[in-house]
Amino acid sequence: QKEVEQNSGPLSVPEGAIASLNCTYSDRGSQSFFWYRQYSGKSPELIMFIYSNGDKEDGRFTAQLNKASQYVSLLIRDSQPSDSATYLCAVKPPGGYNKLIFGAGTRLAVHP
Amino acid sequence: DVKVTQSSRYLVKRTGEKVFLECVQDMDHENMFWYRQDPGLGLRLIYFSYDVKMKEKGDIPEGYSVSREKKERFSLILESASTNQTSMYLCASSSRAGGRETQYFGPGTRLLVL
Repeated sequence: QKEVEQNSGPLSVPEGAIASLNCTYSDRGSQSFFWYRQYSGKSPELIMFIYSNGDKEDGRFTAQLNKASQYVSLLIRDSQPSDSATYLCAVKPPGGYNKLIFGAGTRLAVHP
Repeated sequence: DVKVTQSSRYLVKRTGEKVFLECVQDMDHENMFWYRQDPGLGLRLIYFSYDVKMKEKGDIPEGYSVSREKKERFSLILESASTNQTSMYLCASSSRAGGRETQYFGPGTRLLVL
């Protein structure tokens, strides 16, 4: 079992819709959770991080964390074609050095 | 703003050459990381460093070595490049402080080994 799992997609949504991206993780002691966006040929850039159960909102983005079920999700409201990218989920497992475990990413395509 | 820079965006090398990839960060971060990214495989950690002259193997260290002589600089070395090391190489840095584990990435180096 992979430590951090994401559906590879592509997830195709129409412009203006809500895109829902999901991620599950295997280590129940994981502490911090991150969503990165990566455009084709570019490096990952941080969108959001979340540490506590529940929702965290930032503009059109909402991260949701459920530690009991070991999943974290990212909702993108009013999706735009410019949101088309690969979204990487990253998890900090217990232990030192602040290493992150990355999922393989979900490719999102927003069509006009 | 955090800035992580990498020495080259694109690099073409021949099999057997020694290759140096350099990464510099300007945020006084203790931690620095080298990943490679290949289609369908995601980000894989090669090596990381949590302090000057300190290094730890990641998930795929074979064929690579690293050097961290100064806090801001972390170098990845391919001792004898092989075609299976053709990949996108990404450097990242982060603080060691708890609650500040966000990793910031450089622009990446796309390496082609012929």
